[in-house]
Amino acid sequence: NAGVMQNPRHLVRRRGQEARLRCSPMKGHSHVYWYRQLPEEGLKFMVYLQKENIIDESGMPKERFSAEFPKEGPSILRIQQVVRGDSAAYFCASSIREGTRTQYFGPGTRLLVL
Amino acid sequence: TQLLEQSPQFLSIQEGENLTVYCNSSSVFSSLQWYRQEPGEGPVLLVTVVTGGEVKKLKRLTFQFGDARKDSSLHITAAQTGDTGLYLCAGVILRMGRDDKIIFGKGTRLHILP
Repeated sequence: NAGVMQNPRHLVRRRGQEARLRCSPMKGHSHVYWYRQLPEEGLKFMVYLQKENIIDESGMPKERFSAEFPKEGPSILRIQQVVRGDSAAYFCASSIREGTRTQYFGPGTRLLVL
Repeated sequence: TQLLEQSPQFLSIQEGENLTVYCNSSSVFSSLQWYRQEPGEGPVLLVTVVTGGEVKKLKRLTFQFGDARKDSSLHITAAQTGDTGLYLCAGVILRMGRDDKIIFGKGTRLHILP
């Protein structure tokens, strides 16, 4: 009964490189949410996806960030040309049905940009 | 802009003491969730309160939703070292014809001393 899985758990990148964060939702869940957490901050919503569709990307920075959730495979959060300010913990959550009321979080990916 | 203010930000108390942490907003929520997050892990949902004035108990934890559904409290009786962690509240806002919006507070970092 695997929960939400994220990999890698830790990722180190130099400024200008690309970061790819993967999230496999719980079995049977087709709704995925990405959040960013900075030290001493709460979780900030980034994007909500269903299979092959972006439903709400109102929390995503307009540049360098993109997300996808293909028909097959994990959801990917992609950060191009990373900067030091991108250093944070990125969490993925999944839910079984539409809406955000019951979400199950993964363990997160901690991104460090040098 | 909807904001959830959590207080205190940090709390360090001796094992066996009681404590209360608060979650306040000027916004009305359809429901409110409490999560606990341990270092290096994702948030884990503890409880969801839905009705104004609702009280839910989870062993030594008591959660209350304000009558006006704008605030909530978490009371821990006889704290144990295992209660140490970051406690996050999250307000859920229903959006007509759209997915729900969920807003997280910054959390209360609780440290129980042995």
